[in-house]
Amino acid sequence: GDSVTQMEGPVTLSEEAFLTINCTYTATGYPSLFWYVQYPGEGLQLLLKATKADDKGSNKGFEATYRKETTSFHLEKGSVQVSDSAVYFCALSDPNNNAGNMLTFGGGTRLMVKP
Amino acid sequence: KAGVTQTPRYLIKTRGQQVTLSCSPISGHRSVSWYQQTPGQGLQFLFEYFSETQRNKGNFPGRFSGRQFSNSRSEMNVSTLELGDSALYLCASSLAGGHSGNTIYFGEGSWLTVV
Repeated sequence: GDSVTQMEGPVTLSEEAFLTINCTYTATGYPSLFWYVQYPGEGLQLLLKATKADDKGSNKGFEATYRKETTSFHLEKGSVQVSDSAVYFCALSDPNNNAGNMLTFGGGTRLMVKP
Repeated sequence: KAGVTQTPRYLIKTRGQQVTLSCSPISGHRSVSWYQQTPGQGLQFLFEYFSETQRNKGNFPGRFSGRQFSNSRSEMNVSTLELGDSALYLCASSLAGGHSGNTIYFGEGSWLTVV
């Protein structure tokens, strides 16, 4: 079945540091890939997405490139801020195993940014 | 445009009781899905409804059920509550369509505590 694997956290960085959160996936088809962010006590917010190989999703300074050859979708940001502290989830939607809108999530990576 | 609205936000129930959670999707969205989030199991897909029909179902016991109304609003019900049902229940909505690239929007969730 489909699966998503993320690096375990917590990831602790100083403000303005470079961020990478690794995400790899297994899917039977050609999935769409997503990054969601969850701030304390809140639901999930879509951060960015990519729907085909070599697509780059970007939003709020975050970027991720859909790499089919390495089945990866790593999240990067050049300079993190304290306000980026949250839990980040990588997810996929595989058209081969569902006819609708079902997401398979990774385990989440907690990011802590210190001033 | 209003987002996905979930009610109630917080509730406490006793083992053996049942609970009903409600979700109003973004206007125009016809697909509604539900997820359970726990520290141990992470984010797990419960089910998805589209045009009042269940289109996908996750691996949960029959105590978990749902339905969708003609106005796309959805409810989920958990009967005979167990301590392990304590979780954040997230509702998500998206446009119709059967491909995997749809953006899926989440509500803030309903926090259920079973005592």
